[in-house]
Amino acid sequence: EVQLVESGGGLVQPGGSLRLSCAASGFTFSTYFMSWVRQAPGKGLEWVANIKQDGSDKYYVDSVKGRFTISRDNAKNSLSLEMNSLRAEDTAAYYCARVFKGVAGGREYRVFDIWGQGTMVTVSS
Amino acid sequence: AIQMTQSPSSLSASVGDRVTITCRASQGIRNDLGWYQQKPGKAPKLLIYAASSLQSGVPSRFSGSGSGTDFTLTISSLQPEDFATYYCLQDYSYPWTFGQGTKVEIK
Repeated sequence: EVQLVESGGGLVQPGGSLRLSCAASGFTFSTYFMSWVRQAPGKGLEWVANIKQDGSDKYYVDSVKGRFTISRDNAKNSLSLEMNSLRAEDTAAYYCARVFKGVAGGREYRVFDIWGQGTMVTVSS
Repeated sequence: AIQMTQSPSSLSASVGDRVTITCRASQGIRNDLGWYQQKPGKAPKLLIYAASSLQSGVPSRFSGSGSGTDFTLTISSLQPEDFATYYCLQDYSYPWTFGQGTKVEIK
């Protein structure tokens, strides 16, 4: 079964750090772009970061640049998100997601086709 | 960053109704748009990719259209299991951005 399972969420004080992990199974992890997406309580979805298959390229939303680092270990089928200098506005459920790339109408498309169940991060004193 | 504006933010509809949700991009994104459904406490689920292609396993009552800046998700005959929140997402350029969501509620 294709599966993503996040872990590492919890309560952290403002300015603190936390490392989220996502364990992938049921597919060849090393061949997929991977992402983190978050959702603040009662709010909409926000894309956070992407990482290329070999980890050579990383992309971030502006609000986390310089504070969050996405990484992966293809040998362990694992995705991570290192979060530093956490703020109250980082409070959210964090989802890891697989990026599927396909071709439709002669043009490449990218979608989140597999999602984890999410892990909650609460930043509060 | 490309802004994605969804409308309406919420709607009330009855089973069997035709429902239309729109998403407007602040600049042209070709057809680099997907639609996702999210139910409370659950991860989102992909419905439509490349603006108008139906994801495998998704009922045919869902359809998408549009290109450039204006996109539409249509549910032809609303079913009880369709009451949820719907999001568009552009992957044309970084940062990828979601619309703010449309909550479809029971009338």
